[in-house]
Amino acid sequence: GQQVMQIPQYQHVQEGEDFTTYCNSSTTLSNIQWYKQRPGGHPVFLIQLVKSGEVKKQKRLTFQFGEAKKNSSLHITATQTTDVGTYFCGHNQGGKLIFGQGTELSVKP
Amino acid sequence: SAVISQKPSRDICQRGTSLTIQCQVDSQVTMMFWYRQQPGQSLTLIATANQGSEATYESGFVIDKFPISRPNLTFSTLTVSNMSPEDSSIYLCSVEDSNRWGSKQYFGPGTRLTVT
Repeated sequence: GQQVMQIPQYQHVQEGEDFTTYCNSSTTLSNIQWYKQRPGGHPVFLIQLVKSGEVKKQKRLTFQFGEAKKNSSLHITATQTTDVGTYFCGHNQGGKLIFGQGTELSVKP
Repeated sequence: SAVISQKPSRDICQRGTSLTIQCQVDSQVTMMFWYRQQPGQSLTLIATANQGSEATYESGFVIDKFPISRPNLTFSTLTVSNMSPEDSSIYLCSVEDSNRWGSKQYFGPGTRLTVT
């Protein structure tokens, strides 16, 4: 199956700084999904991208899908303490989600 | 949306014993999925459970170790058999919500298992 690699593994930022996590695949992906898992919680769906070059925004979060559909990114502008958690990208293969390794974000107030 | 509950929420078990985890969904779904999340790691799919047929297991997971039941369209169980400390993980079930605009997965709250 297709694998997705996600970097960085950890990111520590000062509140107000920006944050970006990247997801890469060696093969073309039909879709990419992003989830957020708060400490002690379960993954919660954020968004799905399916089109080449697609860009979607949710308030301070910007999601991009590369032109070749092999990479994706999640960018958070001006982080807040409520953004703390682990962000996972994932590829949906007929309902089965193949997750990246996740990026754990900590925000220092 | 789907609301998923799991029982138990956590348990501490002795090695060599088995634990059955229950997953209940508030709507009828065709497929249910079971994931494992080891401490500090990502989620790994264990198997896909379809109602009326045997579960489909991913590479590295076998039915003898992780038997799954799917008696109806709203319920599934995962058993972790003959447990060892390496089985200490969070086990999560999920369902997919799919329509013409896309799909998303809803996850249960997870079962935190510690094997001593």
